[in-house]
Amino acid sequence: NAGVTQTPKFRVLKTGQSMTLLCAQDMNHEYMYWYRQDPGMGLRLIHYSVGEGTTAKGEVPDGYNVSRLKKQNFLLGLESAAPSQTSVYFCASTNSGRYQFFGPGTRLTVL
Amino acid sequence: AQKITQTQPGMFVQEKEAVTLDCTYDTSDQSYGLFWYKQPSSGEMIFLIYQGSYDEQNATEGRYSLNFQKARKSANLVISASQLGDSAMYFCAMREPTAGGGADGLTFGKGTHLIIQP
Repeated sequence: NAGVTQTPKFRVLKTGQSMTLLCAQDMNHEYMYWYRQDPGMGLRLIHYSVGEGTTAKGEVPDGYNVSRLKKQNFLLGLESAAPSQTSVYFCASTNSGRYQFFGPGTRLTVL
Repeated sequence: AQKITQTQPGMFVQEKEAVTLDCTYDTSDQSYGLFWYKQPSSGEMIFLIYQGSYDEQNATEGRYSLNFQKARKSANLVISASQLGDSAMYFCAMREPTAGGGADGLTFGKGTHLIIQP
């Protein structure tokens, strides 16, 4: 089992460019999440999904869109990247309220 | 107001000593969950331990235990017999019930940077 994987691991964008971050899990988890982590901060929830075809907003959803077309994948999109979106992005998944397993993170820099 | 407060930005501890990392939380819900994660310098988030608000016993996982004091709204992590490999950032987090039920995202504190000295 690979667990939770994220693609890419690193990315540099210019302001205004778009990109999609991919999260994949092979644990058959229903629930998936996208968080961002800024320096000196804990993680903050961007969007989440309670199952295939569903998405919901978290604490900091502005500037991001998500899709869950397949149960195992959760995509995070930035339509027009801004320097304020420079961050480390983590994906997580679970089938239980008692844990969340995290991916290794994607380090995004927007110039 | 912060929902999760970790008052120790950094701690230095001698190897083999026990460590207590503080966490207080703020919620008006009766049903909630508390988590601790470890983030080493490599950056990944490692799940350590979970405590449910209705769990009667304090959670334990190997060298990790959670000192849960519900009335004081505290959920301190205790690491027994610390090791050099315990040096990392430690985050306390809370799950509160919303429409998502068990799918709720976590709210994190700002973390404590723990350094174990030989």
